[in-house]
Amino acid sequence: GAGVSQSPRYKVAKRGQDVALRCDPISGHVSLFWYQQALGQGPEFLTYFQNEAQLDKSGLPSDRFFAERPEGSVSTLKIQRTQQEDSAVYLCASSLFTSSVGTEAFFGQGTRLTVV
Amino acid sequence: AQKVTQAQTEISVVEKEDVTLDCVYETRDTTYYLFWYKQPPSGELVFLIRRNSFDEQNEISGRYSWNFQKSTSSFNFTITASQVVDSAVYFCALKGNFNKFYFGSGTKLNVKP
Repeated sequence: GAGVSQSPRYKVAKRGQDVALRCDPISGHVSLFWYQQALGQGPEFLTYFQNEAQLDKSGLPSDRFFAERPEGSVSTLKIQRTQQEDSAVYLCASSLFTSSVGTEAFFGQGTRLTVV
Repeated sequence: AQKVTQAQTEISVVEKEDVTLDCVYETRDTTYYLFWYKQPPSGELVFLIRRNSFDEQNEISGRYSWNFQKSTSSFNFTITASQVVDSAVYFCALKGNFNKFYFGSGTKLNVKP
């Protein structure tokens, strides 16, 4: 597809369950970002990849959160032992360039995670 | 520290009214970029505009215009003759020396017919 694709669009998990969220970036985009958006808030940075290298994971809230991009394209965000405070929309974004801070990012529609 | 403040949580206007969305930012970086994104109910963030810290010229694109004032650390967004399709949440964002966005909390715009 032409845009960033995320799956599933909606996920309901029981507390304590592990979840995996998938992101298919725009083909050829080098940079990939994960953001967490709580209800009524702006997106908050989780982690950033340049190709397969995870260059910044400073936003991951705990060691239950893990992200990977093994072949430099598709990325997976995994949350282990989910808790209610993990409920949020998880947004993935990709951008073409690497070092240019001026490059805009293209966002997917997000995965809405609800932990019950 | 990087911070973006959008003080207006929600604005309601009647179609054809002009509306300005405020954005104030904080950064110690000398080179930075400011962005506006639109988030319709479908959820994806749609890129609207980018501005670098060295370019304070105002920009107009159709019904949209942006006013960047470095002296007041503001990057305001005006929609002229608003339309119902403009209803969405609008986010202002800042990117500094590190390749990540810092978003404000968003302003929800309701345009009523």
